Amino acid sequence: SYVLTQPPSVSVAPGKTARITCGGNNIGSKSVHWYQQKPGQAPVLVIYYDSDRPSGIPERFSGSNSGNTATLTISRVEAGDEADYYCQVWDSSSDHQVFGTGTKVTVL
Amino acid sequence: EVQLLESGGGLVQPGGSLRLSCAASGFTFSSYALSWIRQAPGKGLEWVSAISGSGDNTDYADSVKGRFTISRDNSKNTLYLQMNSLRAEDTAVYYCAKDLRQVGATSLSLFDYWGQGTLVTISS
Repeated sequence: SYVLTQPPSVSVAPGKTARITCGGNNIGSKSVHWYQQKPGQAPVLVIYYDSDRPSGIPERFSGSNSGNTATLTISRVEAGDEADYYCQVWDSSSDHQVFGTGTKVTVL
Repeated sequence: EVQLLESGGGLVQPGGSLRLSCAASGFTFSSYALSWIRQAPGKGLEWVSAISGSGDNTDYADSVKGRFTISRDNSKNTLYLQMNSLRAEDTAVYYCAKDLRQVGATSLSLFDYWGQGTLVTISS
């Protein structure tokens, strides 16, 4: 089955840029979606189709996808961005949705 | 406003059964595929099952295939997950989630709305 690998944690100072990677075999050929999950809450879609933002998501959130790595970038990080982030793709070989291992973003 | 409200969770002994429900509102229910996604305590997200808008097509993760059955009642705007032969490793918060795309198919799903989740605990 298709595996998506994320770093367990990323730490970033307020106002700086956080980059969260999602690694997968030739992931650049797939559409990648990103979710933010705060403690005790359901996940929220923050980026879809690699780089599109749903309405209500700040422009500080952006995404890219190429080769074997997709990246979620959070610019001008705020304390409220502290959360777990998950990438997600559809695996055509299994016809299943696959989530990444998740990354905890800590704002210092 | 789109709302998804799960119910039916609880404490069940290993080998037991449970049926989860997800009541939906705020969108044309039959036009969208829906999924169940679970999260074990302190762990990441795991997709469990999906069903097409019409209910004709279903899909399951290998970990639950043959034990879980997804279904929907489009006249009641409700999604279900029948869980049988439950195991300790099925302990998790179960979320229902709506596909962003109004295509009804389960492939290539992405999830724009999620319920608040219902906790299923499997323990003796």
